[in-house]
This record gives sequence, C-alpha cells and structure tokens, in this order.
Amino acid sequence: DQQVKQNSPSLSVQEGRISILNCDYTNSMFDYFLWYKKYPAEGPTFLISISSIKDKNEDGRFTVLNKSAKHLSLHIVPSQPGDSAVYFCAAPAYSGNTGKLIFGQGTTLQVKP
Amino acid sequence: DGGITQSPKYLFRKEGQNVTLSCEQNLNHDAMYWYRQDPGQGLRLIYYSQIVNDFQKGDIAEGYSVSREKKESFPLTVTSAQKNPTAFYLCASSTSGTIYNEQFFGPGTRLTVL
Repeated sequence: DQQVKQNSPSLSVQEGRISILNCDYTNSMFDYFLWYKKYPAEGPTFLISISSIKDKNEDGRFTVLNKSAKHLSLHIVPSQPGDSAVYFCAAPAYSGNTGKLIFGQGTTLQVKP
Repeated sequence: DGGITQSPKYLFRKEGQNVTLSCEQNLNHDAMYWYRQDPGQGLRLIYYSQIVNDFQKGDIAEGYSVSREKKESFPLTVTSAQKNPTAFYLCASSTSGTIYNEQFFGPGTRLTVL
C-alpha cells in the first residue's frame, strides 16, 4: 500500500503567523518526500524536499520536519498572502527507478492580510 | 526560456469525440508524465515515459493513449472510452526517471466535455 495523505483540505492563517501543513504516509519504505505549491489554473512548482534519513530541511521561510513516524509537516514562517495556494505532499513510488510520484490530496492554504 | 508548454489552456469537446492534448518541453529531459487533477483529489498519474519510444501506464490509464516519438513531445489523447474526461490535465518532465529529480510541470489544460 503506497499512499500519501493530507487530511486537512484547507487551512486559514493570518499574515505573519505560522502555517503548518501536515502529510501522512502509509509506506515506511518511502525514502524521499517533496512538497509542491500550486496556484489556480497553473502547474505545481517544486517547493522543498527532504530525505527520510533527515529530520529537518530549511529553505528560507519554508521548513520540512520529519520527526514522527510516517508523518511530515511543512512550516511556513512568517506566512504571506502570496503563499495562498494548494500545497501537495508527494513521495516517489516504491516500485523501482521509475520516477513516479504519489501525491496527496492537497491542502488549500489561505493567508489573510 | 526553457520550460514545458501545454496547449491549449482551455479545451471544449463534445461527448464521444477523441481529443489530443499537447505537451512540449525544451529542458532536454528524458522522462515525461501526464497527470489528472480533479477537485478535492491529488494528482493522479495517467501515463509516463522514461525514454523516447517507450511509455508505461500509470494508475488511471484507461480511456487514454500516448505516444513518445520525440524526446521533446508527449501528447495525450483522451478517447471516447474515458468515462469522465472533464478535468485539469498536467504534463511534467524530469531529467531522468530517478526519484531524486524533481518534476517540472506545465501550466495545464482544462478539458471540458459537453
């Protein structure tokens, strides 16, 4: 079973505060995770990634934490109105070197000014 | 500029008609992918190709067909056999079929079947 789940369809935060987006996965064999950001009517863009052997990866205002079993979180600090988008968590399918990614359902983030 | 182009951005077709969505990339990427996005759902893989003249079915390939005659191009045909074709279609590419290479996405085509 290879599933990536984002159980919160939406999240609303105030500008300047922290946004925390969660991602759960079922397969402990996943060894790499990616986050993508998507604006309406556009293609997703890569945001940040993390290896399963790391517990943290930072890139500016974005941090991915991998400290709990089968759970990731994306932190955005401080949140800005331009961060309002759909965020997808993804993991490579554990089926050989195919490059296939399994995506979660996405979480729509709204950052209010 | 290097990137992925998809055309058209919006497409309308009558039920029962086949339609082909274009995807072109000038990133010199070996691997290309087609995804479908529906409201409230993640991206679901339709087909993917790791090299020219070769492609594999993804998770929801029924009712779709592809070809990969050129490295730069990976067109997707939505056939009349696809029972629910109205969706947002995304094409992506990556430098190779390895998992550590991020996928770059095109702007998408919204297909509406009337």
